[in-house]
Amino acid sequence: GEDVEQSLFLSVREGDSSVINCTYTDSSSTYLYWYKQEPGAGLQLLTYIFSNMDMKQDQRLTVLLNKKDKHLSLRIADTQTGDSAIYFCAESGGGSYIPTFGRGTSLIVHP
Amino acid sequence: NAGVTQTPKFQVLKTGQSMTLQCAQDMNHEYMSWYRQDPGMGLRLIHYSVGAGITDQGEVPNGYNVSRSTTEDFPLRLLSAAPSQTSVYFCASSYTRTGGPYNEQFFGPGTRLTVL
Repeated sequence: GEDVEQSLFLSVREGDSSVINCTYTDSSSTYLYWYKQEPGAGLQLLTYIFSNMDMKQDQRLTVLLNKKDKHLSLRIADTQTGDSAIYFCAESGGGSYIPTFGRGTSLIVHP
Repeated sequence: NAGVTQTPKFQVLKTGQSMTLQCAQDMNHEYMSWYRQDPGMGLRLIHYSVGAGITDQGEVPNGYNVSRSTTEDFPLRLLSAAPSQTSVYFCASSYTRTGGPYNEQFFGPGTRLTVL
Protein backbone atom coordinates (compact mmCIF):
# COMPACT_ATOMS: atom_id res chain seq x y z
CA GLY A 1 0.00 0.00 0.00
CA GLU A 2 0.88 3.65 -0.06
CA ASP A 3 3.51 4.80 2.38
CA VAL A 4 4.78 8.13 3.61
CA GLU A 5 8.14 8.28 5.38
CA GLN A 6 9.67 10.99 7.54
CA SER A 7 12.57 11.17 9.94
CA LEU A 8 11.39 11.29 13.55
CA PHE A 9 13.44 14.16 14.95
CA LEU A 10 15.08 17.42 13.90
CA SER A 11 16.92 19.80 16.20
CA VAL A 12 17.83 23.35 15.11
CA ARG A 13 19.08 26.53 16.68
CA GLU A 14 16.74 29.50 16.91
CA GLY A 15 17.17 31.76 13.87
CA ASP A 16 18.46 28.98 11.61
CA SER A 17 16.47 27.39 8.79
CA SER A 18 14.77 24.04 9.33
CA VAL A 19 14.24 21.53 6.55
CA ILE A 20 11.87 18.64 7.14
CA ASN A 21 11.90 15.91 4.50
CA CYS A 22 9.28 13.41 3.42
CA THR A 23 9.15 10.65 0.81
CA TYR A 24 6.06 8.93 -0.50
CA THR A 25 5.39 5.96 -2.72
CA ASP A 26 2.06 6.68 -4.43
CA SER A 27 2.90 7.99 -7.89
CA SER A 28 -0.73 9.05 -8.38
CA SER A 29 -0.68 11.43 -5.40
CA THR A 30 -2.46 14.61 -6.34
CA TYR A 31 -2.18 16.69 -3.20
CA LEU A 32 0.58 16.82 -0.62
CA TYR A 33 0.19 18.49 2.72
CA TRP A 34 2.08 19.59 5.78
CA TYR A 35 0.23 19.55 9.08
CA LYS A 36 1.51 20.97 12.37
CA GLN A 37 0.70 19.51 15.78
CA GLU A 38 1.54 21.63 18.81
CA PRO A 39 1.86 19.94 22.22
CA GLY A 40 -1.44 18.67 23.58
CA ALA A 41 -3.41 19.68 20.48
CA GLY A 42 -4.78 18.21 17.29
CA LEU A 43 -3.28 18.63 13.85
CA GLN A 44 -3.72 21.82 11.84
CA LEU A 45 -3.11 22.23 8.12
CA LEU A 46 0.01 24.33 7.63
CA THR A 47 0.36 24.36 3.86
CA TYR A 48 -0.22 22.20 0.80
CA ILE A 49 1.02 21.77 -2.76
CA PHE A 50 -0.53 20.34 -5.90
CA SER A 51 1.43 17.57 -7.55
CA ASN A 52 1.87 19.65 -10.71
CA MET A 53 3.81 22.32 -8.80
CA ASP A 54 7.51 22.30 -7.94
CA MET A 55 7.54 24.92 -5.24
CA LYS A 56 5.24 26.95 -3.08
CA GLN A 57 6.23 29.79 -0.79
CA ASP A 58 4.13 31.18 2.01
CA GLN A 59 5.89 33.73 4.22
CA ARG A 60 8.57 31.78 6.16
CA LEU A 61 7.49 28.46 4.68
CA THR A 62 8.80 27.00 1.43
CA VAL A 63 7.53 23.68 0.12
CA LEU A 64 9.58 21.86 -2.52
CA LEU A 65 8.26 18.90 -4.48
CA ASN A 66 10.37 16.55 -6.57
CA LYS A 67 7.72 14.41 -8.21
CA LYS A 68 10.24 12.24 -10.04
CA ASP A 69 11.88 11.20 -6.75
CA LYS A 70 8.59 11.42 -4.79
CA HIS A 71 10.26 13.74 -2.31
CA LEU A 72 8.61 16.60 -0.44
CA SER A 73 10.32 19.06 1.87
CA LEU A 74 9.24 21.87 4.16
CA ARG A 75 11.68 24.68 4.83
CA ILE A 76 11.04 27.05 7.72
CA ALA A 77 13.15 30.19 7.54
CA ASP A 78 14.29 31.98 10.71
CA THR A 79 13.01 29.18 12.94
CA GLN A 80 11.53 30.34 16.23
CA THR A 81 10.84 28.51 19.50
CA GLY A 82 7.15 28.73 18.65
CA ASP A 83 7.83 26.51 15.65
CA SER A 84 8.62 23.61 18.00
CA ALA A 85 5.99 21.00 17.15
CA ILE A 86 5.44 17.75 15.31
CA TYR A 87 5.15 18.17 11.54
CA PHE A 88 3.23 15.60 9.54
CA CYS A 89 3.55 15.02 5.83
CA ALA A 90 0.42 13.65 4.13
CA GLU A 91 -0.70 12.79 0.64
CA SER A 92 -3.99 12.04 -1.06
CA GLY A 93 -5.30 11.56 -4.54
CA GLY A 94 -5.28 8.87 -7.13
CA GLY A 95 -7.78 6.24 -6.24
CA SER A 96 -8.12 7.16 -2.58
CA TYR A 97 -9.40 10.34 -1.05
CA ILE A 98 -8.35 9.22 2.38
CA PRO A 99 -5.08 11.00 3.24
CA THR A 100 -2.08 8.92 4.22
CA PHE A 101 0.00 10.48 6.99
CA GLY A 102 3.66 10.03 7.77
CA ARG A 103 4.79 9.30 11.33
CA GLY A 104 5.60 12.95 12.02
CA THR A 105 8.88 14.81 12.59
CA SER A 106 9.43 16.37 16.00
CA LEU A 107 11.09 19.75 15.48
CA ILE A 108 13.01 20.97 18.51
CA VAL A 109 14.18 24.57 18.45
CA HIS A 110 16.79 25.54 21.03
CA PRO A 111 18.21 28.95 21.84
CA ASN B 1 -18.37 27.49 14.77
CA ALA B 2 -16.98 25.19 17.43
CA GLY B 3 -15.25 23.08 14.76
CA VAL B 4 -14.54 19.50 15.82
CA THR B 5 -15.17 18.75 19.47
CA GLN B 6 -14.21 15.63 21.37
CA THR B 7 -15.18 14.42 24.82
CA PRO B 8 -13.78 13.45 27.22
CA LYS B 9 -10.30 14.97 27.09
CA PHE B 10 -8.87 12.34 29.42
CA GLN B 11 -10.10 8.90 30.44
CA VAL B 12 -8.75 6.03 32.49
CA LEU B 13 -10.33 2.60 32.08
CA LYS B 14 -9.77 -0.82 33.53
CA THR B 15 -9.20 -3.77 31.24
CA GLY B 16 -12.51 -5.12 30.02
CA GLN B 17 -14.52 -1.94 30.51
CA SER B 18 -16.37 -0.38 27.61
CA MET B 19 -16.80 3.26 26.77
CA THR B 20 -17.69 5.67 23.99
CA LEU B 21 -15.52 8.52 22.78
CA GLN B 22 -17.67 11.33 21.47
CA CYS B 23 -16.95 13.41 18.38
CA ALA B 24 -19.08 16.16 16.91
CA GLN B 25 -18.64 18.76 14.18
CA ASP B 26 -20.79 21.73 13.28
CA MET B 27 -19.41 22.42 9.80
CA ASN B 28 -21.79 20.14 7.88
CA HIS B 29 -18.89 17.95 6.84
CA GLU B 30 -19.65 14.70 5.05
CA TYR B 31 -16.40 12.91 5.84
CA MET B 32 -15.42 12.00 9.41
CA SER B 33 -12.72 9.72 10.70
CA TRP B 34 -11.04 8.42 13.83
CA TYR B 35 -7.29 8.07 14.26
CA ARG B 36 -5.11 6.84 17.08
CA GLN B 37 -1.70 8.35 17.67
CA ASP B 38 1.04 6.35 19.34
CA PRO B 39 4.69 7.37 19.87
CA GLY B 40 6.75 6.67 16.78
CA MET B 41 3.72 5.31 14.92
CA GLY B 42 2.15 8.53 13.70
CA LEU B 43 -1.54 8.52 12.91
CA ARG B 44 -3.33 5.29 12.17
CA LEU B 45 -6.84 5.30 10.75
CA ILE B 46 -9.34 3.29 12.80
CA HIS B 47 -12.70 3.88 11.09
CA TYR B 48 -14.16 6.47 8.77
CA SER B 49 -17.51 7.60 7.41
CA VAL B 50 -18.38 9.30 4.13
CA GLY B 51 -21.83 10.31 5.27
CA ALA B 52 -24.69 9.54 7.64
CA GLY B 53 -25.40 5.83 7.71
CA ILE B 54 -22.14 4.87 5.98
CA THR B 55 -19.04 3.66 7.82
CA ASP B 56 -15.98 1.67 6.84
CA GLN B 57 -12.88 0.21 8.42
CA GLY B 58 -9.47 1.80 8.35
CA GLU B 59 -6.05 0.36 9.09
CA VAL B 60 -6.61 -0.71 12.72
CA PRO B 61 -10.34 -1.35 13.32
CA ASN B 62 -10.20 -4.32 15.69
CA GLY B 63 -11.69 -3.64 19.11
CA TYR B 64 -13.57 -0.54 17.96
CA ASN B 65 -17.07 0.12 16.64
CA VAL B 66 -18.52 3.22 15.06
CA SER B 67 -21.88 4.47 13.86
CA ARG B 68 -23.00 7.59 12.00
CA SER B 69 -26.67 8.27 12.59
CA THR B 70 -26.35 12.01 11.97
CA THR B 71 -24.03 14.21 9.91
CA GLU B 72 -22.76 15.91 13.07
CA ASP B 73 -21.82 12.99 15.32
CA PHE B 74 -19.39 10.11 14.93
CA PRO B 75 -18.89 8.22 18.22
CA LEU B 76 -16.17 5.62 18.67
CA ARG B 77 -16.95 2.68 20.95
CA LEU B 78 -14.41 0.53 22.73
CA LEU B 79 -16.14 -2.78 23.32
CA SER B 80 -13.78 -4.34 25.89
CA ALA B 81 -10.82 -2.10 26.63
CA ALA B 82 -7.31 -3.54 26.52
CA PRO B 83 -3.97 -1.99 27.56
CA SER B 84 -2.96 -2.01 23.86
CA GLN B 85 -5.68 0.59 23.31
CA THR B 86 -3.88 3.13 25.49
CA SER B 87 -3.38 5.97 23.06
CA VAL B 88 -4.41 9.45 22.02
CA TYR B 89 -7.50 9.41 19.82
CA PHE B 90 -8.24 12.09 17.26
CA CYS B 91 -11.43 12.68 15.37
CA ALA B 92 -11.23 14.55 12.06
CA SER B 93 -13.71 15.85 9.52
CA SER B 94 -13.67 17.37 6.05
CA TYR B 95 -16.26 18.79 3.72
CA THR B 96 -16.37 16.06 1.10
CA ARG B 97 -14.78 12.76 0.44
CA THR B 98 -12.53 14.14 -2.27
CA GLY B 99 -8.97 15.22 -1.65
CA GLY B 100 -7.49 18.62 -2.17
CA PRO B 101 -6.62 21.72 -0.21
CA TYR B 102 -10.22 22.87 -0.31
CA ASN B 103 -11.00 19.71 1.56
CA GLU B 104 -8.76 20.42 4.55
CA GLN B 105 -9.12 17.93 7.38
CA PHE B 106 -10.04 19.56 10.67
CA PHE B 107 -8.92 17.73 13.79
CA GLY B 108 -10.39 17.69 17.25
CA PRO B 109 -8.17 18.30 20.32
CA GLY B 110 -7.91 14.60 21.11
CA THR B 111 -8.87 12.20 23.88
CA ARG B 112 -6.07 10.76 25.97
CA LEU B 113 -7.05 7.24 27.00
CA THR B 114 -5.22 5.01 29.47
CA VAL B 115 -6.26 1.39 29.96
CA LEU B 116 -4.92 -0.25 33.11
